[in-house]
Amino acid sequence: IAGITQAPTSQILAAGRRMTLRCTQDMRHNAMYWYRQDLGLGLRLIHYSNTAGTTGKGEVPDGYSVSRANTDDFPLTLASAVPSQTSVYFCASSDSSQGADEQFFGPGTRLTVL
Amino acid sequence: GQNIDQPTEMTATEGAIVQINCTYQTSGFNGLFWYQQHAGEAPTFLSYNVLDGLEEKGRFSSFLSRSKGYSYLLLKELQMKDSASYLCAVKDSNYQLIWGAGTKLIIKP
Repeated sequence: IAGITQAPTSQILAAGRRMTLRCTQDMRHNAMYWYRQDLGLGLRLIHYSNTAGTTGKGEVPDGYSVSRANTDDFPLTLASAVPSQTSVYFCASSDSSQGADEQFFGPGTRLTVL
Repeated sequence: GQNIDQPTEMTATEGAIVQINCTYQTSGFNGLFWYQQHAGEAPTFLSYNVLDGLEEKGRFSSFLSRSKGYSYLLLKELQMKDSASYLCAVKDSNYQLIWGAGTKLIIKP
């Protein structure tokens, strides 16, 4: 693994189904983030984690949950998917949440909820 | 509320110079970032400004005026591979990035 990976690459999901998007980084970064990107809108923060064992809510957390059991992994779960959750989801990480630390992004997961 | 504004789309000619502007209104300021995003790909970091002035990095430069809530990204000697979206983002008082919708830059030969 080099950097940050996400799985699956894309997924079509029936409304009401549960889905977990996976994110793994090998840079030993403390902070990790989940964003969604929709056409015409900026990246919007769903949830974040400043360090393993802690999580926080971003701008659009409703319908999503996260966990951070260790440094490397930060899965995002949709408990019961709805069509408005159709989007491209990006996971990102940074050494810390403060200062000049840039965020490194995974390749994204394109999710379609029907 | 928090707001980042940038033009939706710009067109420029190969070899020319283009300036992409970004204005922001956020609760607190802990730095401004520019990212590049090619279609279908992830954003990648270009530059960071926290103090007023110009930061130069090769063909790319970024300027910040905190008093005006304004930044620009300057791209020189444009190449076809520079065709991409350019995202402006501000780190707010909670150290969260607030993102603009991005500026799609089209380079014509």
